[in-house]
Amino acid sequence: GAVVSQHPSRVICKSGTSVKIECRSLDFQATTMFWYRQFPKQSLMLMATSNEGSKATYEQGVEKDKFLINHASLTLSTLTVTSAHPEDSSFYICSARGWGSSFYEQYFGPGTRLTVT
Amino acid sequence: AQSVTQLDSQVPVFEEAPVELRCNYSSSVSVYLFWYVQYPNQGLQLLLKYLSGSTLVKGINGFEAEFNKSQTSFHLRKPSVHISDTAEYFCAVSVLNYGGSQGNLIFGKGTKLSVKP
Repeated sequence: GAVVSQHPSRVICKSGTSVKIECRSLDFQATTMFWYRQFPKQSLMLMATSNEGSKATYEQGVEKDKFLINHASLTLSTLTVTSAHPEDSSFYICSARGWGSSFYEQYFGPGTRLTVT
Repeated sequence: AQSVTQLDSQVPVFEEAPVELRCNYSSSVSVYLFWYVQYPNQGLQLLLKYLSGSTLVKGINGFEAEFNKSQTSFHLRKPSVHISDTAEYFCAVSVLNYGGSQGNLIFGKGTKLSVKP
């Protein structure tokens, strides 16, 4: 089946630094990738949608200058949290959809736990 | 706007007992409904989906769900659970062409199912 990986699985960084999270589709070409954020005991909230080779589309309320998304290839998307602050601590999950997939078909990565100290 | 409510954050149950995980949604338009399962340290996996047709939907691992339009519910059921069913379960809705972003998923907060021997 379709597999999506994320790296790192956990990261701790100091306030003011930037952190990059990678999302890879291992056995299919991901034309669309999604980035979600999940706070404890809360829903997964869609942050942005990116299509390969295009600029990401951010959901309302998500700062695009703070959460930089790059989808430069059909198997890799990155999320960079710039100038991270403790309130950015969260669980970040990516998902991917491939060519010819139905609109609802998304394959999820295992998530990345970000802690900003 | 669409929203999803999972009424129970945690459901403990003994092995071989039946279980029902509740999900209610709100939407002014027709929705597509999904249940995802997340095992520890893994990505979300699609358990089952309702797009149209029969309101009783069968998924993997013996789970089923029934779409009830009048009650705006999509409860997940299994007649006899196993230890291996211990996981977190997420209900989600999607609306075609929601805000111009086709296929966006809106998730509930999740229900942790704990199956005890």
